Amino acid sequence: DADVTQTPRNRITKTGKRIMLECSQTKGHDRMYWYRQDPGLGLRLIYYSFDVKDINKGEISDGYSVSRQAQAKFSLSLESAIPNQTALYFCATSDSHGTGFEQYFGPGTRLTVT
Amino acid sequence: QKEVEQDPGPLSVPEGAIVSLNCTYSNSAFQYFMWYRQYSRKGPELLMYTYSSGNKEDGRFTAQVDKSSKYISLFIRDSQPSDSATYLCAMTGSGTSYGKLTFGQGTILTVHP
Repeated sequence: DADVTQTPRNRITKTGKRIMLECSQTKGHDRMYWYRQDPGLGLRLIYYSFDVKDINKGEISDGYSVSRQAQAKFSLSLESAIPNQTALYFCATSDSHGTGFEQYFGPGTRLTVT
Repeated sequence: QKEVEQDPGPLSVPEGAIVSLNCTYSNSAFQYFMWYRQYSRKGPELLMYTYSSGNKEDGRFTAQVDKSSKYISLFIRDSQPSDSATYLCAMTGSGTSYGKLTFGQGTILTVHP
């Protein structure tokens, strides 16, 4: 769905490197989220932001940081990547003026840390 | 113990079968219950949601919530090969946690012709 875009789509990096994953949306939604997906573990929330000045830790925020540069942009950084951060990462958005919980997901970024 | 438990399967059924997917949860504050469908190499997409207990039907899909048992289900009637995907349950509460979803592990479903 082109309304929520993620870059890059695939990334291979080495242990200790800093990496940034970017998310942009054209849906006009105020809320944005970052999840990681691992086989057998489902989707786990890393960080979420209910508006530009609001940043909150999710279930598994250690080793990650985020930046909400604008309503439409939400970036996830791995300051020093480690192999167990190898996963599929999804960005999602929702609209507080709608149900608030109906989330729209981007296509995902497959990250491999060697 | 995870707040939301979902049997990961995999589940393989013949075309036309009735499929039952289930989740249990432990947090009694959950009020809104969702089912997401995720095709291979795609992001999840919302299939349907229900509020509190009861049933909701949308075409071949029926979502059921039993809050007294902390158990939710998704039924797919007349399953089709195009229903082959991973199905994730998700839920959220009210108040400060509203909008923050907790997902199950996902069930991988294959419908074979």
